[in-house]
Amino acid sequence: SDVLTQPPSVSVAPGQTATITCGGNDIGSKSVHWYQQKPGQAPVVVVFEDTDRPSGIPERFSGSNSGNTATLTISRVEAGDEADYYCQVCDNSDDHPVFGGGTRVTVL
Amino acid sequence: ELKLVQSGAEVKKPGESLKISCKTSGYRFSDYWIAWVRQVPGKGLEWMGSIYPGDSDVRYSPSFQGQISISADKSITTAYLQWGGLKGSATAIYYCARVLGAANIRWLDPWGQGSLVTVSS
Repeated sequence: SDVLTQPPSVSVAPGQTATITCGGNDIGSKSVHWYQQKPGQAPVVVVFEDTDRPSGIPERFSGSNSGNTATLTISRVEAGDEADYYCQVCDNSDDHPVFGGGTRVTVL
Repeated sequence: ELKLVQSGAEVKKPGESLKISCKTSGYRFSDYWIAWVRQVPGKGLEWMGSIYPGDSDVRYSPSFQGQISISADKSITTAYLQWGGLKGSATAIYYCARVLGAANIRWLDPWGQGSLVTVSS
């Protein structure tokens, strides 16, 4: 089964760029999806299939994926972006979701 | 409007049974997998299992196989997660979510609001 590794925390000043990584063996060959979870709320997908954004998600959220690392980038960070972020892929053997451990983004 | 609305918070004693629900609306219930995801307070997300309401095909995570049962009622577009005998370790928030995408490219959207289950003697 896939193991996805995320940094536990990332801190960023307002207006700067937050970069959240998701490491996995040959993750570049998989589709990666990203979720934002604010305190007390359910997760919301912010990027799917590596780079696509659902309607309503700001362009400030972007994704990339290559080699052994997928990345979620949040540009011009706002206070409202403070949340936990999870990456997710599908397990090759039985097509079920596998989540990374999550990264807490703190806006300074 | 596409919605998944889950049943409310539950407080149970160890050994008791429980069935929580996920009422869906706004899309063809039979055409999409529904996944259940556990989140222990302060921890990450774990996939528990999924059901395809069209034919009631169910898949379980090995971590939860034998401990839970997932079902669905197409007539009321509702999915269920059930325990026969709860343990204290089941204390968590449980989310249902619709599964989108194709084989090996699946993601979860939208999610229900979550159901908090507390198991304590």
